[in-house]
Amino acid sequence: ETGVTQSPTHLIKTRGQQVTLRCSSQSGHNTVSWYQQALGQGPQFIFQYYREEENGRGNFPPRFSGLQFPNYSSELNVNALELDDSALYLCASSFSPSSTDTQYFGPGTRLTVL
Amino acid sequence: AQSVTQLDSQVPVFEEAPVELRCNYSSSVSVYLFWYVQYPNQGLQLLLKYLSGSTLVKGINGFEAEFNKSQTSFHLRKPSVHISDTAEYFCAVSDGNDYKLSFGAGTTVTVRA
Repeated sequence: ETGVTQSPTHLIKTRGQQVTLRCSSQSGHNTVSWYQQALGQGPQFIFQYYREEENGRGNFPPRFSGLQFPNYSSELNVNALELDDSALYLCASSFSPSSTDTQYFGPGTRLTVL
Repeated sequence: AQSVTQLDSQVPVFEEAPVELRCNYSSSVSVYLFWYVQYPNQGLQLLLKYLSGSTLVKGINGFEAEFNKSQTSFHLRKPSVHISDTAEYFCAVSDGNDYKLSFGAGTTVTVRA
């Protein structure tokens, strides 16, 4: 069984640029959640996708957007990058959007904005 | 929205000694509680979770946690730690109305020989 994978591992961008991060969910999972983990902090919920639709959103501006594809893989897009967007971005997949289902995390993408 | 407080930011401990990591959450009608571990340069791995039933929950790698509704706490314990337990530990909560996980700021455990 393949776990959650994310690409790329690391990324360096400059302020104002746009970035796309990718996530492949675990086999059999139809729900993907994205989190931002700033240095020294806990992960913060960005949004969740369930069956290709956004299923909920945290306190992040619209320049953070996402997609989920028919195979349940997902993308996180961030436009107009700011210095504060530097963080580890974590993707988690689960069997369903139920709050009782375990979320399985990928290794993350480390984004540095200069 | 749920909030989580991890009372200790850093916990140094000697090998084979016990460790307790404290977690408090904001009250709600029903909550689901989780402990995750993050090893250096890796994602989060689930240690254990409480959904309902017995308040003492056993997880992987010898960890256990106790749910205390009256004190709104979910403390994590291990009776004897190993060097390999050096990591960041996160307490997280969700409730029946909110599918997202709300995380605490984390506790860094450093195990010394």
